[in-house]
Amino acid sequence: RKEVEQDPGPFNVPEGATVAFNCTYSNSASQSFFWYRQDCRKEPKLLMSVYSSGNEDGRFTAQLNRASQYISLLIRDSKLSDSATYLCVVLTGTASKLTFGTGTRLQVTL
Amino acid sequence: DTGVSQNPRHKITKRGQNVTFRCDPISEHNRLYWYRQTLGQGPEFLTYFQNEAQLEKSRLLSDRFSAERPKGSFSTLEIQRTEQGDSAMYLCASSSSGYGETQYFGPGTRLLVL
Repeated sequence: RKEVEQDPGPFNVPEGATVAFNCTYSNSASQSFFWYRQDCRKEPKLLMSVYSSGNEDGRFTAQLNRASQYISLLIRDSKLSDSATYLCVVLTGTASKLTFGTGTRLQVTL
Repeated sequence: DTGVSQNPRHKITKRGQNVTFRCDPISEHNRLYWYRQTLGQGPEFLTYFQNEAQLEKSRLLSDRFSAERPKGSFSTLEIQRTEQGDSAMYLCASSSSGYGETQYFGPGTRLLVL
């Protein structure tokens, strides 16, 4: 079983739609959680951290459920520029190494 | 540009050749990480330095791979006797000390082994 599991998609949505991505992680000792965004043939970039209380950054909302080991990302009012791969990322252990999911590809269309 | 830089950006080599990649982290960052990403997968951790000390290596890092960070600044990743399975994007990231500090990624070196 992979440490971090995501639906690879692709998710094809029209502009303005709301889309949600889910992710599960297997290591209950994981301590920090993130969503990274990766454009085609580019490096991953931090989108937002994820906190147990839930957090919002503009059109983006992230949630963490530690009991279920489940992380979500909600994107409201999708824009064409949101088209990218969204990587669910977990930080475990003392080395601060990141464990990535395979990513969920989003394509926003007109 | 004061971000993480990597060189070369692309490398094509023949099977059996040695290759070396360089990463220059953000100058004030003392942690440096190497990851590998293959098509359709997320990046996978390879190794990590705190200053010049290599503190952790993944089991993915076979004995053909070696990484150094001799003065605690730039790092090199060498692959000896390359194999076709080594074809991937090699990503470098850097961060400040402290648990959970944001890791900033470089643009990567895309390796193709023929």
